[in-house]
Amino acid sequence: EAGVAQSPRYKIIEKRQSVAFWCNPISGHATLYWYQQILGQGPKLLIQFQNNGVVDDSQLPKDRFSAERLKGVDSTLKIQPAKLEDSAVYLCASSLTVGDEQYFGPGTRLTVT
Amino acid sequence: AQKVTQAQTEISVVEKEDVTLDCVYETRDTTYYLFWYKQPPSGELVFLIRRNSFDEQNEISGRYSWNFQKSTSSFNFTITASQVVDSAVYFCALSGDSNYQLIWGAGTKLIIKP
Repeated sequence: EAGVAQSPRYKIIEKRQSVAFWCNPISGHATLYWYQQILGQGPKLLIQFQNNGVVDDSQLPKDRFSAERLKGVDSTLKIQPAKLEDSAVYLCASSLTVGDEQYFGPGTRLTVT
Repeated sequence: AQKVTQAQTEISVVEKEDVTLDCVYETRDTTYYLFWYKQPPSGELVFLIRRNSFDEQNEISGRYSWNFQKSTSSFNFTITASQVVDSAVYFCALSGDSNYQLIWGAGTKLIIKP
């Protein structure tokens, strides 16, 4: 069974530019998560989808971050405009449903210069 | 409020030694789940185990074992006969039936020296 796919793996942009990340969850998984992980810290949940609806986006900086999961499968996370403090690894995870164990993709390492 | 504490920031042992990673949690939920994840240097978080609050049986999987004790709110992870490939950051996490969001510990960096 294929795991969670993410692209790109690495991205370097200048501050004030925009960037988008893509995630394809494990087939059949209804719940999809985007996390931000800063070096040396645990993951921080940005947004959680159940199918194509948002369950929790309380920690998403909505003035610059947006995410969508239009058909309840793939998802994109966008940052516009990026700030230096957005430099982090962005992890996508999926689970069968809310509360189940989450399986993570390889992450996208973002560097904002 | 829910909280996960991993007091050990970093542990370093020599290969073949046994090592225990501590995890203490706080929750008011009656039903909750505890997790351990491994994050090797490659960066990908790997799911290791999920335990629900009604199952206090210890779990063993090869060289890995987990000790869940509700009386002390702990869910400790032991690696027996450690190997260099076990070197990683290990995270303990908690979710409860009040909102199911994963609450993560700060992680313990485990270094296994050859």
